Amino acid sequence: GAGVSQTPSNKVTEKGKYVELRCDPISGHTALYWYRQSLGQGPEFLIYFQGTGAADDSGLPNDRFFAVRPEGSVSTLKIQRTERGDSAVYLCASSLTVDNSPLHFGNGTRLTVT
Amino acid sequence: AQTVTQSQPEMSVQEAETVTLSCTYDTSESDYYLFWYKQPPSRQMILVIRQEAYKQQNATENRFSVNFQKAAKSFSLKISDSQLGDAAMYFCAYRRANFGNEKLTFGTGTRLTIIP
Repeated sequence: GAGVSQTPSNKVTEKGKYVELRCDPISGHTALYWYRQSLGQGPEFLIYFQGTGAADDSGLPNDRFFAVRPEGSVSTLKIQRTERGDSAVYLCASSLTVDNSPLHFGNGTRLTVT
Repeated sequence: AQTVTQSQPEMSVQEAETVTLSCTYDTSESDYYLFWYKQPPSRQMILVIRQEAYKQQNATENRFSVNFQKAAKSFSLKISDSQLGDAAMYFCAYRRANFGNEKLTFGTGTRLTIIP
């Protein structure tokens, strides 16, 4: 596709449930990032993939959060036992593997935990 | 750790006028990149302008320009001839250089309103 695609656009789930958020990066982009944006805040880094491997997962808040990118393209962010504090917009971005290659962001998934 | 501070939660400007958004940052690195992103209601982060720290010349993109003061660790965005379509959240961001695809560190944002 022409840009980074994230699905679903919105997700409402009950506390304690499991959710998966999908990111389809721009074709050919080997670097992929997940960010979380809480209401009234700037995006906060969660995890960065270079190809299939997580090059930096230092932003994942706890072990309920996990992300995969098995074939080096589509990535899935998985959240177990969701809590109301997980409610946020989850943004995905991709880029080429070149120093200072610009990040291209998707429209995000708004997750609401009730 | 690097931090980015935007001290103006909200700004407003009359259409066709000029507005400046402030950003300061803290880093011990000498080489890095600075960015301004725009986030409209669609939620997509759109790159407005970027600056390499090793360049003394301020970056310019059409109506958008920056005032980069490296010693003061200040990076303000000036929007000239403001248009209704400029209304959005604006985020300042920092990225280390020479570390490959480093993550971005964002400020808390400034909501810009354009008054017709």
